Amino acid sequence: GNSVTQMEGPVTLSEEAFLTINCTYTATGYPSLFWYVQYPGEGLQLLLKATKADDKGSNKGFEATYRKETTSFHLEKGSVQVSDSAVYFCALRSSNYQLIWGAGTKLIIKP
Amino acid sequence: DVKVTQSSRYLVKRTGEKVFLECVQDMDHENMFWYRQDPGLGLRLIYFSYDVKMKEKGDIPEGYSVSREKKERFSLILESASTNQTSMYLCASSDIDQETQYFGPGTRLLVL
Repeated sequence: GNSVTQMEGPVTLSEEAFLTINCTYTATGYPSLFWYVQYPGEGLQLLLKATKADDKGSNKGFEATYRKETTSFHLEKGSVQVSDSAVYFCALRSSNYQLIWGAGTKLIIKP
Repeated sequence: DVKVTQSSRYLVKRTGEKVFLECVQDMDHENMFWYRQDPGLGLRLIYFSYDVKMKEKGDIPEGYSVSREKKERFSLILESASTNQTSMYLCASSDIDQETQYFGPGTRLLVL
């Protein structure tokens, strides 16, 4: 069946460090892929998405590239800020149009 | 601006009580969802609805029911709350192609 695996957290970095949060998936066909972010005390919001192989989603300095050959959609940012501290969720849109979610990765950025 | 609201941010209930969680969206979306969020487990789908009075079971429907009498409102009902239903409950909505889901702030439920 469809599934999403993302790296366990928490991930702790210093401000201005480079960020990678790994996400790999198992799916039939070519699902759309998403990263959502949940800031403290808030609901989830869409961060970026990609709908086909080799697409790159980007938003707020974050990027992720849909890699069909490695079934991955890793989230990256060149220089993180304290305000990026949040929980990040990778997800895929399955063939019956539901979203399949990863377990979430908590990111802590220290000043 | 897109908005999904949930009736309560925090709730404390006793075992055996009937609990209602309300969700309202103002985007005229067809699809609405109820998830529970637990540490290390991510989001698990309880129920979703793709139209008024229509509902589909998600991955963990046991112990829950839902109601969608109006397009903008989707209610989650715990018929007899149990301690293992202590969790964060998230409501979401999406338009018909489901590319993006919009979430409410969540209700943190504690069942004693």
